[in-house]
Amino acid sequence: DAKTTQPNSMESNEEEPVHLPCNHSTISGTDYIHWYRQLPSQGPEYVIHGLTSNVNNRMASLAIAEDRKSSTLILHRATLRDAAVYYCILPHSESSSYKLIFGSGTRLLVRP
Amino acid sequence: KAGVTQTPRYLIKTRGQQVTLSCSPISGHRSVSWYQQTPGQGLQFLFEYFSETQRNKGNFPGRFSGRQFSNSRSEMNVSTLELGDSALYLCASSPRLAGGFTDTQYFGPGTRLTVL
Repeated sequence: DAKTTQPNSMESNEEEPVHLPCNHSTISGTDYIHWYRQLPSQGPEYVIHGLTSNVNNRMASLAIAEDRKSSTLILHRATLRDAAVYYCILPHSESSSYKLIFGSGTRLLVRP
Repeated sequence: KAGVTQTPRYLIKTRGQQVTLSCSPISGHRSVSWYQQTPGQGLQFLFEYFSETQRNKGNFPGRFSGRQFSNSRSEMNVSTLELGDSALYLCASSPRLAGGFTDTQYFGPGTRLTVL
């Protein structure tokens, strides 16, 4: 399974943009890059995913490097509610199986 | 649409007992996956069920088992509980579209199991 590397923690001020990096140097051509986050005392929730080009949704943007060996999750204006552990994942999918391999993630602290 | 529900939310058992946890996926979702979360090991994949068949299993002992019913609801069972089984057990459902590469998993709130 392809592995991802993320910083253990990051800090941001409220209402400022946040860039969360992820390295995935062993990514294969068919691996999608998914981001999930886990708020305190909750199960993980899906944030965004992409393959090659940058992606935007109501929660965040995903910037994918041209060689696909790294990506960056962008929160345009961090709020206190965005304080969570963010996981960058390359889902393992075969014809009969699908699973998420979670690393340790990045714990985001948002300062008021 | 209702989200993934898990019951019970909290459970206390003693060593040697067995436990059954339940998960109701989002309506229309055919895949249910289970994960264990502990402070030391983080989130680890237990198994996935799709169309009532176990499709994949993580690196857990045979004491951990599960099943899926025809309505996609799933249960997981842990027999002969050990102290180390204390964890948050998370269930996730997915529509399991063709290919699976873009599937999104929707997680429930989890069941907090404490083994004394």
